[in-house]
Amino acid sequence: AQKVTQAQTEISVVEKEDVTLDCVYETRDTTYYLFWYKQPPSGELVFLIRRNSFDEQNEISGRYSWNFQKSTSSFNFTITASQVVDSAVYFCALSEYGTSGSRLTFGEGTQLTVNP
Amino acid sequence: DTAVSQTPKYLVTQMGNDKSIKCEQNLGHDTMYWYKQDSKKFLKIMFSYNNKELIINETVPNRFSPKSPDKAHLNLHINSLELGDSAVYFCASSPMSRGSVSLFFGSGTQLSVL
Repeated sequence: AQKVTQAQTEISVVEKEDVTLDCVYETRDTTYYLFWYKQPPSGELVFLIRRNSFDEQNEISGRYSWNFQKSTSSFNFTITASQVVDSAVYFCALSEYGTSGSRLTFGEGTQLTVNP
Repeated sequence: DTAVSQTPKYLVTQMGNDKSIKCEQNLGHDTMYWYKQDSKKFLKIMFSYNNKELIINETVPNRFSPKSPDKAHLNLHINSLELGDSAVYFCASSPMSRGSVSLFFGSGTQLSVL
């Protein structure tokens, strides 16, 4: 069975600090996909990134970067120079390839609070 | 234009009532989903339809019945509402039913059962 663990329930930082959100996953599949979603206070779920299990290159998008390490089954998310607007719940998720339907298994989420 | 839209955004009702949540997507996707987010923010899949065909049906009470009149719509009907049904229900869609695709979520329906 798949499992996603986000050990950090809540993180609080001061604006401009860098912050890393941890994600550890478990799967028996060799092909799988990893995702990060953001849920701001307004409640919607915003897609941030998708990464497949064969692509271990790190990715950077503006102040966001992701570090995928298969050896440790981790897919961590770093926000550089955090801003108040980054305050949200962030979810890591895992999807098996080839199953009928994109059955995303979500982690418990990390509540990030960025204080001015 | 909203890609995945759900109505209503808030739903407050009494125990025992029957209610429906509607979802529509204008992305041309083939697959639609219902997810439930509980009070601890945990998200779990309930159902998935691909081209109007039910393809995922998790362990959900049969008081919950999804209906997909066409591939752009997926509604959720709940009979005999219970206190434990209080949650946020998210509709989502994706271009195909394989695990590789990203889901695009609606803004959620906050259901409160009193």
